[in-house]
Amino acid sequence: GEDVEQSLFLSVREGDSSVINCTYTDSSSTYLYWYKQEPGAGLQLLTYIFSNMDMKQDQRLTVLLNKKDKHLSLRIADTQTGDSAIYFCAESANNAGNMLTFGGGTRLMVKP
Amino acid sequence: DAEITQSPRHKITETGRQVTLACHQTWNHNNMFWYRQDLGHGLRLIHYSYGVQDTNKGEVSDGYSVSRSNTEDLPLTLESAASSQTSVYFCASTGTITGELFFGEGSRLTVL
Repeated sequence: GEDVEQSLFLSVREGDSSVINCTYTDSSSTYLYWYKQEPGAGLQLLTYIFSNMDMKQDQRLTVLLNKKDKHLSLRIADTQTGDSAIYFCAESANNAGNMLTFGGGTRLMVKP
Repeated sequence: DAEITQSPRHKITETGRQVTLACHQTWNHNNMFWYRQDLGHGLRLIHYSYGVQDTNKGEVSDGYSVSRSNTEDLPLTLESAASSQTSVYFCASTGTITGELFFGEGSRLTVL
């Protein structure tokens, strides 16, 4: 079946940029998502990208998609302590969300 | 504001007991999902529903059941709880074109 892989942990200093990487195997992925989970809470959608796009920018967030290598990244500029959370990459082959496959999550720790 | 709520937020039960986790959404979404979150596994899909009277098995459905008698609710039942079902359970719903999942706050279940 489909597989989505992420590194487990990333530590950065406040003010630096963070880059969280994700690889996936499903070549039919249509939508790719980044979710954020803060302690004790559910997941919240940060951003998404259609598979026919290479890049999407939204304020401090930049998503890069390399469809050939099936690689997705999330860059957070000027990382703040409030960005400390677990970040999940997810992919879907359709837009109903019914076949969303999640990665294991990357825990981002931001040091002051 | 529309929302999705789960109850109970925390529950401790004993092996063999029946447990039901409630999920209620007020977005009038047709699609609803149950995931479990475990360290090292990310989120795994248990069951999902595309509408009233519709239920489908996900990746890890053994030992779980759901019912959909109305649009708003998708209760998750563990017929005979096992220690392997100790986990954090998330309910989610979607009805948007982008497939964005809206998550509840989670229910932490401990089976002793």
